[in-house]
Amino acid sequence: AQSVTQLDSQVPVFEEAPVELRCNYSSSVSVYLFWYVQYPNQGLQLLLKYLSGSTLVKGINGFEAEFNKSQTSFHLRKPSVHISDTAEYFCAVSAGYGGATNKLIFGTGTLLAVQP
Amino acid sequence: NAGVTQTPKFRVLKTGQSMTLLCAQDMNHEYMYWYRQDPGMGLRLIHYSVGEGTTAKGEVPDGYNVSRLKKQNFLLGLESAAPSQTSVYFCASSQGGWQFFGPGTRLTVL
Repeated sequence: AQSVTQLDSQVPVFEEAPVELRCNYSSSVSVYLFWYVQYPNQGLQLLLKYLSGSTLVKGINGFEAEFNKSQTSFHLRKPSVHISDTAEYFCAVSAGYGGATNKLIFGTGTLLAVQP
Repeated sequence: NAGVTQTPKFRVLKTGQSMTLLCAQDMNHEYMYWYRQDPGMGLRLIHYSVGEGTTAKGEVPDGYNVSRLKKQNFLLGLESAAPSQTSVYFCASSQGGWQFFGPGTRLTVL
């Protein structure tokens, strides 16, 4: 079974500062990893995904994440945040190739609060 | 393409009432899911379907039923609503490993 841990429930940061949102996972099989973003009163939107290949994954809105298998981590980063990045960010994991259901296990979310 | 749509957007029920939430997708995806989102708990899977006519239980299935009579639709039913089912419900569909989400239904049970 897979599980996801997002240790930071809230991350305050000033506009134009860099940010890192942490995500750790556990799994006994190979995994696919995802970051989703949820703006207030909206559904979830895929930010980026790691399925295979390069461990550095680039997503929308200038975000990127690095898959680190030895540390079982998939931290999300952005070098310079904007007010519009204020949202809740969810890390998710699913079983990799052969996971027939494509089920996702979500972390509890991290609220990124960008201040002017 | 509309993607994944959910109806209704908001609903208020009294304890013991029943209702059905409708999810529709126009991407011809095989897999569909129902989640509930509660503060501080992320998204938890209620039920899912791997194809037309098939459904399976997720992490928190009690008090809910589902049906997938048509490939594009996935219905979530509450037979006798309870205050503990006050939540935001999200539907999602998938084909290639990642999921596409609907805008959500905010349900309040009084």
